[in-house]
Amino acid sequence: AQSVSQHNHHVILSEAASLELGCNYSYGGTVNLFWYVQYPGQHLQLLLKYFSGDPLVKGIKGFEAEFIKSKFSFNLRKPSVQWSDTAEYFCAVNGRQAGTALIFGKGTTLSVSS
Amino acid sequence: GAGVSQSPSNKVTEKGKDVELRCDPISGHTALYWYRQSLGQGLEFLIYFQGNSAPDKSGLPSDRFSAERTGGSVSTLTIQRTQQEDSAVYLCASKEAGGPNNEQFFGPGTRLTVL
Repeated sequence: AQSVSQHNHHVILSEAASLELGCNYSYGGTVNLFWYVQYPGQHLQLLLKYFSGDPLVKGIKGFEAEFIKSKFSFNLRKPSVQWSDTAEYFCAVNGRQAGTALIFGKGTTLSVSS
Repeated sequence: GAGVSQSPSNKVTEKGKDVELRCDPISGHTALYWYRQSLGQGLEFLIYFQGNSAPDKSGLPSDRFSAERTGGSVSTLTIQRTQQEDSAVYLCASKEAGGPNNEQFFGPGTRLTVL
């Protein structure tokens, strides 16, 4: 079955701490991988994406993620979080066929204290 | 430019009533998706429209759910005889034509509460 698993439901950090959010997926075939972020009261927006090439991808606001094919993982990282990173983070996957819908994980709520 | 818009932003209804949720995609985007975000469940795919092709309805949870897209633009998601478990945020997303690599842009969602 196609699925995305996010290991952490709620992460609480202090400013300047390092962040790593885990994401594993189960999906047959070649995949595209995404991290979306939803700031309080705002739309869901794309943080970064992986389609092919360099497995280490960089996104907005200093976030990066590494695709490890052998582990079916796409973990999100940031070396030093800020209070403004407080949000809900969703990992998602879809297939390479046109029109395939995104399959999302259940999300991780990140709370950063100043 | 304008993003994806949805209306209403909030909808409270009584169990058994029908509701209609509207999505206006980004102009020129031919692909449109509906997702549902339930508490603790993440986002679940409901239905997908691409141009004039038959929609992919594989994510609809029951036959009480239906959707249409008129003129390749605006889409309406209809839930008949609403149940309390239908309470969720319903999100619409659109993207340009082409392969799945294109980014899906999400609207603000409609929060549906069924009493």
